[in-house]
Order: sequence, then C-alpha cells, then structure tokens
Amino acid sequence: GEDVEQSLFLSVREGDSSVINCTYTDSSSTYLYWYKQEPGAGLQLLTYIFSNMDMKQDQRLTVLLNKKDKHLSLRIADTQTGDSAIYFCAVDNGGATNKLIFGTGTLLAVQP
Amino acid sequence: DSGVTQTPKHLITATGQRVTLRCSPRSGDLSVYWYQQSLDQGLQFLIQYYNGEERAKGNILERFSAQQFPDLHSELNLSSLELGDSALYFCASSVGAGRSGGELFFGEGSRLTVL
Repeated sequence: GEDVEQSLFLSVREGDSSVINCTYTDSSSTYLYWYKQEPGAGLQLLTYIFSNMDMKQDQRLTVLLNKKDKHLSLRIADTQTGDSAIYFCAVDNGGATNKLIFGTGTLLAVQP
Repeated sequence: DSGVTQTPKHLITATGQRVTLRCSPRSGDLSVYWYQQSLDQGLQFLIQYYNGEERAKGNILERFSAQQFPDLHSELNLSSLELGDSALYFCASSVGAGRSGGELFFGEGSRLTVL
C-alpha cells in the first residue's frame, strides 16, 4: 500500500524560512495535500497541488513537487510563532475514492 | 470552524465497553470519512461512506463498525474496547466521493481514553 514519510521534527527561528519534506510511494496519486494541526484542534487544509504541477505558491506557502523522485515539500516564508504546529503531508490513494493517506507529521517549532 | 461537528469531544471508558462516536458533516457534503490518530500509528484511515453507502475501507478492526444515516450523519461504533484503542478519532466530510471529490474538512475529533 501507499507509504508517506516525513521527518518528525523541525526547529526554526522566527523570520526564517521553514521547509518540510515528504516522500511517497504511489506514483498514481493525483492530489497531494498539506494539512496543519494545532494543539487540540482538527486538521486544517493549507494547500494542495495537482500531480501535473511542479510548483504552487499561495502567499507565504510554496509547494514543490518532484514527481520523478516522489518528493513533496512545503516552504513557509517568514515563519512566525503562530506557525508552530504539526504539518501533515497527505496523498490520495490513487484509487477511485477520495480517501487520503497521511504522513507521520512534522512538528514545527518556531523559536522567537 | 470547519462545519464538521463531532460528539463527544472527550470520552473515558473501561476496557471491554462499547462507545459510539457521532459526526455531522458539513451541509451539502455527501461523503464522510473516519480516521484514527494515535501516537504509534499516526493518522490511519478507517472507513468512508458516500450518501449512505460504504465506499472504501481501511485499517478498521472487526470490533469497529460505522454507518451513515439518511440525514448523512455518521456514527462510529467501537466495541470490546482495549487499551490500544485510546486515540483521537477524526471525522471528515467532502462533497463527492471520488478522487476529485473535493477538499476534506475535518472535525475537531473525539478523544477516547480506555482505562
């Protein structure tokens, strides 16, 4: 089955850029997503990219997709303390349903 | 606020018991998904319903069952509970069911603690 991997932890200073990486195994995934989970809250969709795109920019967020290497990254520019959260990469399972396979999540800690 | 409502927010029960978690999807969404989030397994897809019918099944134990009612709300039933079932259970909804079925909107989760 699909496997989605992320590094567990990233620490950055306020104002720096953060880059969170994700690798996946199923090349038939069509939509790839980034979700944010703050403590005690549900998952909030940040952005997504369609598999025929290489890059998508949305304000401070930039998503890069390397389909050949099955690598997805999320760059957060000018990281703020409010960006501290767990970030999940998710991919559709390549099948006929909308079910998502989530990565392990990356805890982003922003130091003031 | 995602528009997805889950109840209860917190639940503490004993091993061997049975609980029911409830989810009301966003208005207009026909698909409901259940996910389990635990420290050791991460976010695991359990099951998906679309307009009352089971659409996809994931790593759902036989002790667990779910259904989606005509008013589109869904319930996840967990029985013969074990300590390892302690987790955060998320419900999500989307408009459609297929690959382009739209964004998944997540509820805030039901935290189950089994003692």
